[in-house]
Amino acid sequence: EAQVTQNPRYLITVTGKKLTVTCSQNMNHEYMSWYRQDPGLGLRQIYYSMNVEVTDKGDVPEGYKVSRKEKRNFPLILESPSPNQTSLYFCASSPGGNQPQHFGDGTRLSIL
Amino acid sequence: KQEVTQIPAALSVPEGENLVLNCSFTDSAIYNLQWFRQDPGKGLTSLLLIQSSQREQTSGRLNASLDKSSGRSTLYIAASQPGDSATYLCAVLNYGQNFVFGPGTRLSVLP
Repeated sequence: EAQVTQNPRYLITVTGKKLTVTCSQNMNHEYMSWYRQDPGLGLRQIYYSMNVEVTDKGDVPEGYKVSRKEKRNFPLILESPSPNQTSLYFCASSPGGNQPQHFGDGTRLSIL
Repeated sequence: KQEVTQIPAALSVPEGENLVLNCSFTDSAIYNLQWFRQDPGKGLTSLLLIQSSQREQTSGRLNASLDKSSGRSTLYIAASQPGDSATYLCAVLNYGQNFVFGPGTRLSVLP
């Protein structure tokens, strides 16, 4: 089954403790992206990648890192999480930016 | 900076009605516009994608139009059903290959 898989689905952690949210797709897609969704602010793009070893900042990249060492994986790294990064995070992929995106089920992060 | 807005923010209609959701964007330098559906607690599902060179796309009871020069798109839902209840979001792909989403329209279709 074609899918985008995010882990974990839920996480409660404390300020400053490094964490990684993994994202994996099995569709051989070149374009991958991370979003955060907050009430009243909608979905905002954090980072995106058009191919392996190519990443670019979206609208809200501060406090986040990404890497794209393999086509299928696009982890989101919070080196020193802070409470303002409490949010619902989505990973998405598509064959190219100009094609429909497939979304994961989301990761709900709470940073105390 | 690209800004995307959606009107109305929420809509409640009786089953069977035809309805229109609106999406506006400020910068016409886009590759495409996509409409998504989001159910509570779920990820987004792509409904329709309109390339910047196209005027409309249709899928079943859904029809989306795009007027790039005026920065507007509409999503038309025919003969609405309770199963259509969800939040509908539009998003544009800018020339820089980054996406900008609208805030969404929350639709309730009453039986």
